[in-house]
Amino acid sequence: GQNIDQPTEMTATEGAIVQINCTYQTSGFNGLFWYQQHAGEAPTFLSYNVLDGLEEKGRFSSFLSRSKGYSYLLLKELQMKDSASYLCAVSHEGFSGGYNKLIFGAGTRLAVHP
Amino acid sequence: DAGVTQSPTHLIKTRGQQVTLRCSPKSGHDTVSWYQQALGQGPQFIFQYYEEEERQRGNFPDRFSGHQFPNYSSELNVNALLLGDSALYLCASSSGTGRTEAFFGQGTRLTVV
Repeated sequence: GQNIDQPTEMTATEGAIVQINCTYQTSGFNGLFWYQQHAGEAPTFLSYNVLDGLEEKGRFSSFLSRSKGYSYLLLKELQMKDSASYLCAVSHEGFSGGYNKLIFGAGTRLAVHP
Repeated sequence: DAGVTQSPTHLIKTRGQQVTLRCSPKSGHDTVSWYQQALGQGPQFIFQYYEEEERQRGNFPDRFSGHQFPNYSSELNVNALLLGDSALYLCASSSGTGRTEAFFGQGTRLTVV
């Protein structure tokens, strides 16, 4: 089967650092995505990891360990606008020649307070 | 460059009715995937269209069907609506030959009463 787990809710203080963990069990793994979704809006792409290690992009970093089925999203210098849901999604191997489908976790609602 | 556009943004239907949702992919993208997102949950994969054919399908009943047109736009049809079909329906487009990132539309909020 396919299972993706992430914490339901997290809170953090403006200016701090927060780490959102994601564990997964899935067959046909072809990469892991993190998306940000503000309430009532579309998910927006944050990061993509296909190889083990850390990918850094500004205030956001994402880490992947394929052997452990584990990823985390690290947000630095938190701002109030970072209050949103963060979705971990595994790219599941699909048919050749096309885009792979995404298997999403339930999302982590992050609340940033002053 | 317009991103992924979906219409309508909101829709209210009665149980048993049929609904059609529409999606125009981002320019240069040829693959469209549809997702259902219930309140407080992550998106669930419905199906994916590429070259006007359904290529992959998630665990959704046959009441959910779709179509892709030669211009890569797509429709999602749901027949015999149930109360449980109330959700945000997201369309995502991507290019099979480019980056693997999927771009999402703003979604259609469907309410079945």
